[in-house]
Amino acid sequence: QKEVEQDPGPLSVPEGAIVSLNCTYSNSAFQYFMWYRQYSRKGPELLMYTYSSGNKEDGRFTAQVDKSSKYISLFIRDSQPSDSATYLCAMSPGRKAAGNKLTFGGGTRVLVKP
Amino acid sequence: DVKVTQSSRYLVKRTGEKVFLECVQDMDHENMFWYRQDPGLGLRLIYFSYDVKMKEKGDIPEGYSVSREKKERFSLILESASTNQTSMYLCASSFLSHNEQFFGPGTRLTVL
Repeated sequence: QKEVEQDPGPLSVPEGAIVSLNCTYSNSAFQYFMWYRQYSRKGPELLMYTYSSGNKEDGRFTAQVDKSSKYISLFIRDSQPSDSATYLCAMSPGRKAAGNKLTFGGGTRVLVKP
Repeated sequence: DVKVTQSSRYLVKRTGEKVFLECVQDMDHENMFWYRQDPGLGLRLIYFSYDVKMKEKGDIPEGYSVSREKKERFSLILESASTNQTSMYLCASSFLSHNEQFFGPGTRLTVL
């Protein structure tokens, strides 16, 4: 079983809808959680970064972490066709002195239809 | 803005050739990473470095080596390219004790 599970999709929604994405994980040591957006044939771009449990909002994006359930979510409000991309979750156990490695989910492909 | 650049967007090489992939970052990051990304397998860490001349193996280092002669530059070397090394290669960088990694645009390598 993978350490981080993410539904590959595709998740297809109409423009303006809320996109709901999630990841589950098995390693209870993870404390730092990230969401990346990756457009086709491009590198991942950091969208959201959260520490421990709770919510974080940035514009149309909200990230939630529930450490008790080992579950993280990303919500995109008022989705636009430009949000069509693959979304990757990533997580890390903590701040080492050097070279913190990330564990990635496989990514969910999202299609927002006009 | 963090800028991570990779030497080529697309590369085609023949089996057995020595291949160099170059990555440069301009944010004075200590950590640099090389990943490969394949459908169904996600991102897998090949090697990383947290200082000049320092390197550590990631999850799939076999068939690869790396070089970090300057802080801003991290090279991935395929000593003898094979067809199973056809993939998207991504470079990333971060500050020493930080988790947020910033990625380059990727190099799509095809080995024939």
